[in-house]
Amino acid sequence: GAGVSQSPRYKVTKRGQDVALRCDPISGHVSLYWYRQALGQGPEFLTYFNYEAQQDKSGLPNDRFSAERPEGSISTLTIQRTEQRDSAMYRCASSVDRGETQYFGPGTRLLVL
Amino acid sequence: ELKVEQNPLFLSMQEGKNYTIYCNYSTTSDRLYWYRQDPGKSLESLFVLLSNGAVKQEGRLMASLDTKARLSTLHITAAVHDLSATYFCAVDNNDMRFGAGTRLTVKP
Repeated sequence: GAGVSQSPRYKVTKRGQDVALRCDPISGHVSLYWYRQALGQGPEFLTYFNYEAQQDKSGLPNDRFSAERPEGSISTLTIQRTEQRDSAMYRCASSVDRGETQYFGPGTRLLVL
Repeated sequence: ELKVEQNPLFLSMQEGKNYTIYCNYSTTSDRLYWYRQDPGKSLESLFVLLSNGAVKQEGRLMASLDTKARLSTLHITAAVHDLSATYFCAVDNNDMRFGAGTRLTVKP
């Protein structure tokens, strides 16, 4: 594809519901990253994958957050039992390999009511 | 814990002027990135600096890295309005840690 895509672009959910955010990286990119960005702040690292292997999940805020990339391409970030404090922009990025330029997707804006 | 500090956080400059944005980080790393973000948009990669002494230039922007001082700079030469945006540095130390960003406004 032309770039990193994310879906949905906007998600409004009620507190306590589960949400799944999807990231479709640039074809052939080995590394995939998830970030969360609050308004007016820099992105906050959540987790990253090389191929299908989750390399680092130290940035996931708590066990309600999980991510997978089962076939080494598309990734899903899942938030269970959402809380209002989970409201943010969730961004995905991919790179040819670890340490190379990261290309960011447009993000999914999550609003938990 | 890796800390990344940018300064200034806000910068208002006149067109044609020069200025430098600083990025300090707290632990050893040999990968530093600069990104640009326009309001309501995603992040756009500007530079990847991979070694001590690395210098890269693109148009009116030049970035450098001093790994011994744990410092990177983003120098703006003869600013133009189109450079108005938020600039982030990020350091790769197993995870990626971003600075808080420098919100640059270039005025005529």
